[in-house]
Amino acid sequence: AQKVTQAQTEISVVEKEDVTLDCVYETRDTTYYLFWYKQPPSGELVFLIRRNSFDEQNEISGRYSWNFQKSTSSFNFTITASQVVDSAVYFCALSESNTGNQFYFGTGTSLTVIP
Amino acid sequence: EPEVTQTPSHQVTQMGQEVILRCVPISNHLYFYWYRQILGQKVEFLVSFYNNEISEKSEIFDDQFSVERPDGSNFTLKIRSTKLEDSAMYFCASSEDGRAENEQFFGPGTRLTVL
Repeated sequence: AQKVTQAQTEISVVEKEDVTLDCVYETRDTTYYLFWYKQPPSGELVFLIRRNSFDEQNEISGRYSWNFQKSTSSFNFTITASQVVDSAVYFCALSESNTGNQFYFGTGTSLTVIP
Repeated sequence: EPEVTQTPSHQVTQMGQEVILRCVPISNHLYFYWYRQILGQKVEFLVSFYNNEISEKSEIFDDQFSVERPDGSNFTLKIRSTKLEDSAMYFCASSEDGRAENEQFFGPGTRLTVL
């Protein structure tokens, strides 16, 4: 079974629109951590944010914001006023305190921002 | 800012040949990882390494794969007899320790093409 599901395979938006990338996770651990990584066309994986299972406070960093809801097992990522440089594949990932140190990645959402 | 480096950026090999992918993790990090991303698919965990031993490995990491820390700085992934399906981007990562909450810092990847 998939531990991390990113149902949106591809999204296209026009520049300056807001966009939300969905992430749903599945775990039996009570302590776990969620991450978002960005993979631009150059291919590297860039860390964006980490959230632990005990902290449901939403976070905002510039144009980026994250909505963590344990009740729906979701950790969604919103980009406000999108820019062309936001075009990338975005991966949600999960790590569990009781099952070792590997990251479980979702299948990624490819975001294209059209100028 | 310290970063994970990987060489080569692109490796082309014939089926059945051995390849060694090289990584230099961040110097004060203790845990090292290899992940694989087949083109257009999600990033998949292969193996984690700590204190000169494999800490955890996935089902993908079969007898064809091995990892080594040959000296104080390099961390290598060897594929003994490459198959067409080994064609993928291989990412090395490192973290300060193996705790689930710690961000894993990823290298830029090595694109392996098996012909």
